[in-house]
Amino acid sequence: SAVISQKPSRDICQRGTSLTIQCQVDSQVTMMFWYRQQPGQSLTLIATANQGSEATYESGFVIDKFPISRPNLTFSTLTVSNMSPEDSSIYLCSAEDGNTGELFFGEGSRLTVL
Amino acid sequence: KQEVTQIPAALSVPEGENLVLNCSFTDSAIYNLQWFRQDPGKGLTSLLLIQSSQREQTSGRLNASLDKSSGRSTLYIAASQPGDSATYLCAAPSEGQGFSFIFGKGTRLLVKP
Repeated sequence: SAVISQKPSRDICQRGTSLTIQCQVDSQVTMMFWYRQQPGQSLTLIATANQGSEATYESGFVIDKFPISRPNLTFSTLTVSNMSPEDSSIYLCSAEDGNTGELFFGEGSRLTVL
Repeated sequence: KQEVTQIPAALSVPEGENLVLNCSFTDSAIYNLQWFRQDPGKGLTSLLLIQSSQREQTSGRLNASLDKSSGRSTLYIAASQPGDSATYLCAAPSEGQGFSFIFGKGTRLLVKP
């Protein structure tokens, strides 16, 4: 099983600033995803991080607000730009095991925007 | 587009009881389905993955079944323990602009000692 490390694990940010979350996988994976979990809610997919090309965003999420990088098969970043209190959530990185299709998650990054 | 529904939303049981959590999905053209556990403030832990060719998977006291034709999966927990208290989520693949995984809202389980 893949081990996924995310940082920061939590942060308190000021309105209008941006924060970049890093995700490192301990093995090469084809598919990486970024999810958001708002307080008391389930997971919503933000985008699929594509290695070497632009991320594929889900409806309601745009690149200007959530730019994503995927420079190689083990690493991705998600930036939450121009934050507002509504962006306070847990952001989760995940990766799919290419052999089994199993999805693994990092511990998440809990963002609080004041 | 795939939609995943989980019932019940919350469940409270006494320790030792056997229980069943339900998951339904609208698009049966799935290649697998996965059950997760989430403890408060934590990430997701994978519990069981069922491939589309399988009907069930077992891990310890957990058993998950999959019926693609009816669009349903169940997670059976035997002899529940207080340590099983968590939110249980199921996720099914969805083919939109690419393959991704859609989550249900989860079942919040409390096992009382």
